[in-house]
Amino acid sequence: DQQVKQNSPSLSVQEGRISILNCDYTNSMFDYFLWYKKYPAEGPTFLISISSIKDKNEDGRFTVFLNKSAKHLSLHIVPSQPGDSAVYFCAASRGDKLIFGTGTRLQVFP
Amino acid sequence: EAGVVQSPRYKIIEKKQPVAFWCNPISGHNTLYWYLQNLGQGPELLIRYENEEAVDDSQLPKDRFSAERLKGVDSTLKIQPAELGDSAVYLCASSLGFFQTQYFGPGTRLLVL
Repeated sequence: DQQVKQNSPSLSVQEGRISILNCDYTNSMFDYFLWYKKYPAEGPTFLISISSIKDKNEDGRFTVFLNKSAKHLSLHIVPSQPGDSAVYFCAASRGDKLIFGTGTRLQVFP
Repeated sequence: EAGVVQSPRYKIIEKKQPVAFWCNPISGHNTLYWYLQNLGQGPELLIRYENEEAVDDSQLPKDRFSAERLKGVDSTLKIQPAELGDSAVYLCASSLGFFQTQYFGPGTRLLVL
């Protein structure tokens, strides 16, 4: 049973536009959510996180939104840059371990 | 500051052979994790260490997988014997402590023929 779902395997966005990556979860006990970014042949790199007591967290061009009633979170990248092209994983924690989604491949083209 | 180091980066073996992966975490990080990542999937936790102690190994297939973290620093993950389905990327991560941000190494890509 996939507790963290990223239903879009890929996303293509033009440089300068907004990229929106989505993630849904099923376990209401998750209390912390994270986004990781992964380049080919590298390990995932922490990007941004949000606690379940908040609904928004911003860091530069990256903003994560959490909608607990819908069990949905999203990552917004504005403006998108070619260097943002990577696979993005959302992850959720219930205190003992991280549960990762399957990832969304973002391609930012000029 | 050096990141998490893993070796080898790539390994090709025949089924039924043994294989071992090595991980050196970021200096000072007490918590170490081994993850398995299958193609098209997210990482899945195999085992978590707090210093030398394996505190969560519930997802480690103990019939063929073993791990150790002697002296609470480096760690090795072993598979014996390897099966075709073990072909995947094995990721090591470390953090200052539990609930802290995890930093991942580049992974070892294993191909079992």
